[in-house]
Amino acid sequence: AQSVTQLDSQVPVFEEAPVELRCNYSSSVSVYLFWYVQYPNQGLQLLLKYLSGSTLVKGINGFEAEFNKSQTSFHLRKPSVHISDTAEYFCAVSYTGNQFYFGTGTSLTVIP
Amino acid sequence: DTGVSQNPRHKITKRGQNVTFRCDPISEHNRLYWYRQTLGQGPEFLTYFQNEAQLEKSRLLSDRFSAERPKGSFSTLEIQRTEQGDSAMYLCASTRGHDNSPLHFGNGTRLTVT
Repeated sequence: AQSVTQLDSQVPVFEEAPVELRCNYSSSVSVYLFWYVQYPNQGLQLLLKYLSGSTLVKGINGFEAEFNKSQTSFHLRKPSVHISDTAEYFCAVSYTGNQFYFGTGTSLTVIP
Repeated sequence: DTGVSQNPRHKITKRGQNVTFRCDPISEHNRLYWYRQTLGQGPEFLTYFQNEAQLEKSRLLSDRFSAERPKGSFSTLEIQRTEQGDSAMYLCASTRGHDNSPLHFGNGTRLTVT
């Protein structure tokens, strides 16, 4: 089955420390990958996307992600987190551009 | 780009009542999606439209659920004879539908069935 796995349900990290949120997807010939952030009682906001080309993708708020085809991963990273980064993060994959599949989310808590 | 708009933001209803939610997508987007999200979970696909045509429905979408997009612009999601298990956040998203463009989400409608 086509799916997305987010390995960590909760990630606590101290302010100004680096963070990595992990995402693995079911392998396919073509794949389009996305990271979204969700703040409480709000919808999902796009952080970044990988469609093709460079495997290192930069997004908003200082986040970046690397597409690794051999490991079927698309991990999200930030070198120095802020309190305002506390939120739920979702990885999503699309294989055809028609249907989008979401992971179960990772709750990032930044500790002062 | 005024964003995706969903109304109402919150809805509390008694079990057995019918509810209807509305979604206004970004104006130039021809694809519109409905998702359901429960606490601690990612969005689960319900259905999507290409213009006014409903192209796919999830098996999650029971007969009590119906969605329309009559003129290819706004969409409504109706739940008949609500059950407590229908309590969730209902998210609408839209996209241009080409160039693998990402989904743009509204802020959702939170449904509580008592």
